[in-house]
Amino acid sequence: GAVVSQHPSWVICKSGTSVKIECRSLDFQATTMFWYRQFPKQSLMLMATSNEGSKATYEQGVEKDKFLINHASLTLSTLTVTSAHPEDSSFYICSARDLGTGDTDTQYFGPGTRLTVL
Amino acid sequence: GQNIDQPTEMTATEGAIVQINCTYQTSGFNGLFWYQQHAGEAPTFLSYNVLDGLEEKGRFSSFLSRSKGYSYLLLKELQMKDSASYLCAGMDSNYQLIWGAGTKLIIKP
Repeated sequence: GAVVSQHPSWVICKSGTSVKIECRSLDFQATTMFWYRQFPKQSLMLMATSNEGSKATYEQGVEKDKFLINHASLTLSTLTVTSAHPEDSSFYICSARDLGTGDTDTQYFGPGTRLTVL
Repeated sequence: GQNIDQPTEMTATEGAIVQINCTYQTSGFNGLFWYQQHAGEAPTFLSYNVLDGLEEKGRFSSFLSRSKGYSYLLLKELQMKDSASYLCAGMDSNYQLIWGAGTKLIIKP
C-alpha cells in the first residue's frame, strides 16, 4: 500500500530556532499534501494544504510566516516551524493524496513528528 | 514489520449496527486510535484504547485485545451522517502512528 514517511520522527530544539519537517510519499506521487497538528487524544487540526508547484493554502488562524510550507516535488513537502516557541510543541502529521488511484478522498498519513521546544 | 489491516469498504443500513475490525502489528504498543474522516475534512478523534476491553462513548464503542492485536469500532443506531472513512491507527513504542488505509462506510436508507 501507499507509504508516507516523515523525518525526523522527533525533534527537541531551543526556543527561537527553526525546525524543518519533511513529508515524503515513498511509492506514489502526490500533488496535494496536508499538514496537521495533533494534541493528545484530540482530532487532527488541519494547518494547511500543500500543492506541488504553488503556494500552500493555510487554514484560518495558522500563521503562514511562522509555518512555512514548500512542496517542491510530487513526493516531498516540507514544513518549517520558524522561531519555534514552547507553545509550538506538538505532534505534526502529514498526509498525501495518491494521484494514481483517482480517488481524491483517500489520504495516506505519515507517522508524525513530535516537536518539543524548550 | 509494522502493519495495520482494516477492511476497505463496508455497507450498512440506517438504524442498524456495524462493526469495523482492525488488526495491528506494531513495534511495542502505546495505544490504538480510531478516527472518523468525512470527505474533504480533517480526521476527527473518536477513541483511544490502551487497555483491554470495551470503551463506550454514546453510539460509538471501541474494543481492544492486546493479546490478539485486535480492535474494533462499533457503531450503533447508524445515521446517514455516519457515512465516512474510519481510520485505525496504532502507536508504537516510539510514539509514532501506524495508520490503516481506512474503511469507507456507506450507509443506505
